[in-house]
Amino acid sequence: SQQGEEDPQALSIQEGENATMNCSYKTSINNLQWYRQNSGRGLVHLILIRSNEREKHSGRLRVTLDTSKKSSSLLITASRAADTASYFCALGYSTLTFGKGTMLLVSP
Amino acid sequence: GAGVSQSPSNKVTEKGKDVELRCDPISGHTALYWYRQRLGQGLEFLIYFQGNSAPDKSGLPSDRFSAERTGESVSTLTIQRTQQEDSAVYLCASTLAGGIIYNEQFFGPGTRLTVL
Repeated sequence: SQQGEEDPQALSIQEGENATMNCSYKTSINNLQWYRQNSGRGLVHLILIRSNEREKHSGRLRVTLDTSKKSSSLLITASRAADTASYFCALGYSTLTFGKGTMLLVSP
Repeated sequence: GAGVSQSPSNKVTEKGKDVELRCDPISGHTALYWYRQRLGQGLEFLIYFQGNSAPDKSGLPSDRFSAERTGESVSTLTIQRTQQEDSAVYLCASTLAGGIIYNEQFFGPGTRLTVL
C-alpha cells in the first residue's frame, strides 16, 4: 500500500525561521496531502497537491512535488510558536495512508 | 457549522471488556473513515464507509473489531474483548465523497482508549 515517510522525525527552530520537512514515497500517486496535528485543534488538512502540479502555496505554506524523485516538501515560512505540531503527509484517494510525521517545535 | 464529533473523548476499560466508540460525521458527508493512532505513530486506516456501498474493512486488525453506520449518519466502532495493544486514539473522519473525486477529510477530536 502507499505510505509516505516524513523526514526529519523532529525539527526544532526559532520563531521567524523557516521550517522544511520532506515526504518520500515509493508508489505512483495521484495526489499527496499534508496534515497538521496538535493538541489544540486535532488533525487538520493543510494542502493537497496533485500529481500534475509541481508547486502549491497556501498562506505561509509552500508545497512542492517531484514525482520523478517520489518526494514532496512542505515549507513553512516565518514560523510562529503556534506552528508547533506534528506534520504528516498522506497518500491515497479515499482511504489515506499517513506517515509517522515530523514533530516541529517552534520556540519563541 | 458543526464539525465531526466523537464520543467519548476518553475511555478507560479493563482488558477483556467490550467498548463502543461513536462518531457523528458532518451533515451531508457521504464518506466516513475510522483510523487508529498509537502513541508517537501515524494513523492506521481501519474501515471506510461510502454511502450505501459495502464498507471497506481491509484495515481492521482482527475480528474483534467491527463498525456499523446507519445510512449517512452516525457510526459506531466496536472492539470486543479489548487487549492492551488496542490502547490508542481512535479518529473518525468524514468527507463529501470518497473514491475518485477527492475531497478533504475532516477529522474529529478522537477517542483516547486506554485498556488496563
